[in-house]
Amino acid sequence: DIQLTQSPASLSASPDEIVTITCQASQDIGSSLLWYQQKPGKSPQLLIYSATILADGVPSRFSGSRSGTQYSLKISRLQVEDIGTYYCLQVSSSPYTFGAGTKLELK
Amino acid sequence: EVQLAESGGGLVQPGRSLKLSCAASGFTFSDYYMAWVRQAPTKGLEWVASISYDGGSTYYRDSVKGRFTISRDNAKSSLYLQMDSLRSEDTATYYCTTDPGITMKDYWGQGVMVTVSS
Repeated sequence: DIQLTQSPASLSASPDEIVTITCQASQDIGSSLLWYQQKPGKSPQLLIYSATILADGVPSRFSGSRSGTQYSLKISRLQVEDIGTYYCLQVSSSPYTFGAGTKLELK
Repeated sequence: EVQLAESGGGLVQPGRSLKLSCAASGFTFSDYYMAWVRQAPTKGLEWVASISYDGGSTYYRDSVKGRFTISRDNAKSSLYLQMDSLRSEDTATYYCTTDPGITMKDYWGQGVMVTVSS
């Protein structure tokens, strides 16, 4: 199975700060990586697909990038409503695997 | 409005069975691969199973293979997960969703809780 090592596990940041979360894949998955946001008590919501493409309705302060087998999610100016847990997901091969998650809190 | 509504969860003893259902509306159900994703209490997300448009192809994670069966009824716009030989480690909230590997249309249900305990 493909492993996704997501870091950091938790993160505290202030409004308007830049936040970066990374996922390291255990093997080549190309652009088959997605990013989700999950708010407490809610279902996950897609932010980014194909590593870099913003999903419909997602604010432009979110962006995704790729360098080899390392993937990053960047929030350019953190807003209060961005608080939650973020997950990466690889869909290159079955079984699909998620990263362990990054819990983002306000400082 | 797109809706996915799961039902059928509850408390069940280890070794017993449970069947989850997911009723879809607001989109053409048969146009989408579908999937089940679960989340154990206070834990991360875990893909469980996926099914093709017509149900002809199914995919499972190893830990549920041979115990869980994913199926669909396109005439009823419904997705199912038959769970047999349940174990305590199957305790989780189960989400019905469009398969993320096939479509960028991101539809999720609200989730249904399954607790496996004696």
